[in-house]
Parts: sequence; structure tokens; C-alpha cells
Amino acid sequence: DADVTQTPRNRITKTGKRIMLECSQTKGHDRMYWYRQDPGLGLRLIYYSFDVKDINKGEISDGYSVSRQAQAKFSLSLESAIPNQTALYFCATSDLSRLGTVETQYFGPGTRLLVL
Amino acid sequence: GQQLNQSPQSMFIQEGEDVSMNCTSSSIFNTWLWYKQEPGEGPVLLIALYKAGELTSNGRLTAQFGITRKDSFLNISASIPSDVGIYFCAGQHYDTSGTYKYIFGTGTRLKVLA
Repeated sequence: DADVTQTPRNRITKTGKRIMLECSQTKGHDRMYWYRQDPGLGLRLIYYSFDVKDINKGEISDGYSVSRQAQAKFSLSLESAIPNQTALYFCATSDLSRLGTVETQYFGPGTRLLVL
Repeated sequence: GQQLNQSPQSMFIQEGEDVSMNCTSSSIFNTWLWYKQEPGEGPVLLIALYKAGELTSNGRLTAQFGITRKDSFLNISASIPSDVGIYFCAGQHYDTSGTYKYIFGTGTRLKVLA
């Protein structure tokens, strides 16, 4: 079974609709992230959470909101979707190394979102 | 937003050839990581580098953390068709204000011709 799962895997929606993307993990990691990927731009950080009570904006948080319902769950919402939010969205988790200084991120399979 | 400059953007090579790609930044990073992404999947970690000058191998892959901490390269030796995919570098650090940064490169798309 996958350690990081995302639902749905694909979604088509219309401009102005509210949509939620969900992420679950079984790795027991405290840290979770949401990224979007656009062709030629790599991955850009939307929001991240270092524990259940901690939510932080990434570089492109406008138009998005998140909810950390539990250690294992981190949801991304588009309150009113617009076409330029069409992208591939990835959830990731991480934990600190034993030294507490470095970390490795593990990614989910992605959600492909099309906003018409 | 800040991104890492990764080159080349894409490359076609013959099976058996060696591949080299690099990543540069105007910022210093504490950690450099290299990921591979295959179609329909999320990025998967290949190599992590923790110290300036560090050279680390993982099978046919070798990566180095630049001395200036502003660059890194990834080499793949004797490429095979399953090496096809998009390779991303990523840098991680906390800035002077204590803000967490985890920045990705724009990716190198690799295609291997059998």
C-alpha cells in the first residue's frame, strides 16, 4: 500500500466551483505539504504544516486554503476555482532526521485538476 | 517565487551514454536533493546531499553538493531506457528569519533512445 495517497487522482471542475483535494499518509510524519506543478515551472509550494496546529503559507498560497484534520490528513481547498489553477497537485510528507537538521520529502501520486 | 535554475531542460541520449545535469541558485542551501518523476507519479528521492563538497553515489547515479553551496550536479552513467523521466533538484534551508524554504528546480526531461 502507498504511504502517501491523494484523492481524487483526476478532477474536472468549472470556474467558480469549490473543490477539495485530500491527502492521507501512513508514514507517521508530522510535516505535510501541498505543491502544484506546471509545465516548465517545476514544483511550487502552496502551503505546509509542521504539525496539526501549525499551518504556513508557501510561495503561491493565494486562492487556496488548507486544513490539517489530523496528523495523517491534510486537505487543500480551492474556494472558487479559476482556469489558471489547472495544474498537477502533489501532497508530500517529511520528518526530521535524527540530527534534526535535514529532511526528506515523500510525495503522493498527484491529482490532475482541470478548471474549465 | 524563487526557483532553482536547472539545465539542460531536456535531453535525448543513446542507451549506454553518460548523462550530466546541474542545478544552480543565487541562494545558499543546507541540503540538496535530487528526485526523479515518472509519468503519472510523484517525485521519488534519488540522492540527498548534506555537506558542501559531498559526493554521493546511488548505483549508477552520482551527485555532488557544490563547495559554494549554491549548486549541485547529477550524473547518470551507462543510461538505460528506464532512466527516462523528469529529474528535479531541490534545495532546502532555513533563512535568517527562521522561515523554512524548500525550493525545486524546473526539471530536466530525459529521454533515452534504445
